[in-house]
Amino acid sequence: NAGVTQTPKFRVLKTGQSMTLLCAQDMNHEYMYWYRQDPGMGLRLIHYSVGEGTTAKGEVPDGYNVSRLKKQNFLLGLESAAPSQTSVYFCASSKGIEAFFGQGTRLTVV
Amino acid sequence: GQSLEQPSEVTAVEGAIVQINCTYQTSGFYGLSWYQQHDGGAPTFLSYNALDGLEETGRFSSFLSRSDSYGYLLLQELQMKDSASYFCAVKTDSNYQLIWGAGTKLIIKP
Repeated sequence: NAGVTQTPKFRVLKTGQSMTLLCAQDMNHEYMYWYRQDPGMGLRLIHYSVGEGTTAKGEVPDGYNVSRLKKQNFLLGLESAAPSQTSVYFCASSKGIEAFFGQGTRLTVV
Repeated sequence: GQSLEQPSEVTAVEGAIVQINCTYQTSGFYGLSWYQQHDGGAPTFLSYNALDGLEETGRFSSFLSRSDSYGYLLLQELQMKDSASYFCAVKTDSNYQLIWGAGTKLIIKP
């Protein structure tokens, strides 16, 4: 049982480049989330989804887009990367109280 | 705005007891969660309180007072492996959105 899997684990982008972060869960959870974590801060919600085909904005959605075409996958896209998007990104899924996290993607934008 | 306040760092001795406090100010409140995160790792769920009182899970206990907008995590018989950051998070709506504190780094000395 893999749980929540994120790819890639590390990535360096140049300013203006685009990329997609992939998140897959095998627990049949309805709810999925994308967070970013910056040093000395808690997790901030970027976007979330309450089910297949639905997405919603979180606290810090600007510069990101998401899609949930299949229940098990939640994709996070950066259209034009900026240095301010340098962060660790976590995907999580939940069916209720407990959220299960992927191992994170460390993204650096230079 | 919405905010959660917790100490940035707490130091304790192996075998001792430590309490990590969390006060919150949010637009909605469904419950208070606690997560543990080791350096370089993903957050993992520890506990959840929806009602006032103490919840005990092994060496860890969590307390909630909704009237005081306050909770705490109590760790007993501290072990070196408990060295980690601990986050409180408030579930603010029925879609399981969480607002996170900035985290408390627990340092354990032999």
